[in-house]
Amino acid sequence: QKEVEQDPGPLSVPEGAIVSLNCTYSNSAFQYFMWYRQYSRKGPELLMYTYSSGNKEDGRFTAQVDKSSKYISLFIRDSQPSDSATYLCAPTVTSGSRLTFGEGTQLTVNP
Amino acid sequence: DAGITQSPRHKVTETGTPVTLRCHQTENHRYMYWYRQDPGHGLRLIHYSYGVKDTDKGEVSDGYSVSRSKTEDFLLTLESATSSQTSVYFCAISATGQGAIGYTFGSGTRLTVV
Repeated sequence: QKEVEQDPGPLSVPEGAIVSLNCTYSNSAFQYFMWYRQYSRKGPELLMYTYSSGNKEDGRFTAQVDKSSKYISLFIRDSQPSDSATYLCAPTVTSGSRLTFGEGTQLTVNP
Repeated sequence: DAGITQSPRHKVTETGTPVTLRCHQTENHRYMYWYRQDPGHGLRLIHYSYGVKDTDKGEVSDGYSVSRSKTEDFLLTLESATSSQTSVYFCAISATGQGAIGYTFGSGTRLTVV
């Protein structure tokens, strides 16, 4: 069993939709939960991160962590075609320690 | 991809030949990583370095070696390239200490072994 599981999709939604991207993990020591966004033929870039359980909002993006169920979510409100990318979750034990990446979910937002 | 560059960006090579990919950083970060990314597998760690001449294996290190003789350069060598090593290779860097969050990735090297 992988340490981080993520549905690879692909996921296709119309512009303006609310998107939910999810990961599960098995290591209860994970404390930091990062989301990376990767555009086609580019390297991943850090989108946002949360520490421990709870929610964090950044514009149209909300990251949510439920440590009791080991479940990580990223919500995108009012999705735009520019949000079309692959989204990777990456939990880790401390902020500077090695990341464990999910497989990534490929998202397409159609105009 | 400020502060981190990979070269070459694209390469086609023949089976059995050695290949070296280069990662160069200007951030003076201690940690450097090599990943490969393949459909169905996501990002998989090949090797990483935690300082000059200090390296360790990742989950898919067979057939690969690395060297780090300077803080800014981390080289990945495919000793004898095989078709299974056709992939996109990403280098990443990370800082240590308070406030260090996550990795910064390079733009990738697309390698085709024919």
